[in-house]
Amino acid sequence: AQSVTQLDSQVPVFEEAPVELRCNYSSSVSVYLFWYVQYPNQGLQLLLKYLSGSTLVKGINGFEAEFNKSQTSFHLRKPSVHISDTAEYFCAVSDPGNQGGKLIFGQGTELSVKP
Amino acid sequence: NAGVTQTPKFQVLKTGQSMTLQCAQDMNHNSMYWYRQDPGMGLRLIYYSASEGTTDKGEVPNGYNVSRLNKREFSLRLESAAPSQTSVYFCASSEYGEETQYFGPGTRLLVL
Repeated sequence: AQSVTQLDSQVPVFEEAPVELRCNYSSSVSVYLFWYVQYPNQGLQLLLKYLSGSTLVKGINGFEAEFNKSQTSFHLRKPSVHISDTAEYFCAVSDPGNQGGKLIFGQGTELSVKP
Repeated sequence: NAGVTQTPKFQVLKTGQSMTLQCAQDMNHNSMYWYRQDPGMGLRLIYYSASEGTTDKGEVPNGYNVSRLNKREFSLRLESAAPSQTSVYFCASSEYGEETQYFGPGTRLLVL
């Protein structure tokens, strides 16, 4: 069965510094990959997704992620964070052949941006 | 468009009580999902409905039942609540082929 590991449960960072949130998934022939963000007391919203094509994916709010098939990774990056980026970030994977589009989520990474 | 709506926002139950969490979407999506979110465990799929008239178990279905009432509505029922079901419950919907799931604001459930 597919699984997702987010390597850091908490990432503290200063405002305007770069950040990388790490995500690894168990190997599969093909996968769809997602990053979702959850602001305090809200639901999840999509940051970006990889379905096929270019391995560098750009999302909302200046975030980007790179799909690395050989390392089964999909790390999320932002060159300069803002206080408003403080939130919990979830990596998720789905199997393109799986009817119903079920998502498997990682444990989440809490990003805390300090002034 | 309201997107995905959930009711109630917050509920306190005593052990053994029953309740139904309601979810509705106005995006004409075929697929709907129920997840629970627990600290350090991410979101885990309870049940999903790939299309109107079908439901299937997810990763953690024990203690729950679901009903896909129509294309818009997908409810989650706890027949006899247990403290282990204290969690935040999220409903989501998606359209087959689009692959993006849209989430509701969540229901916080506390079982005493």
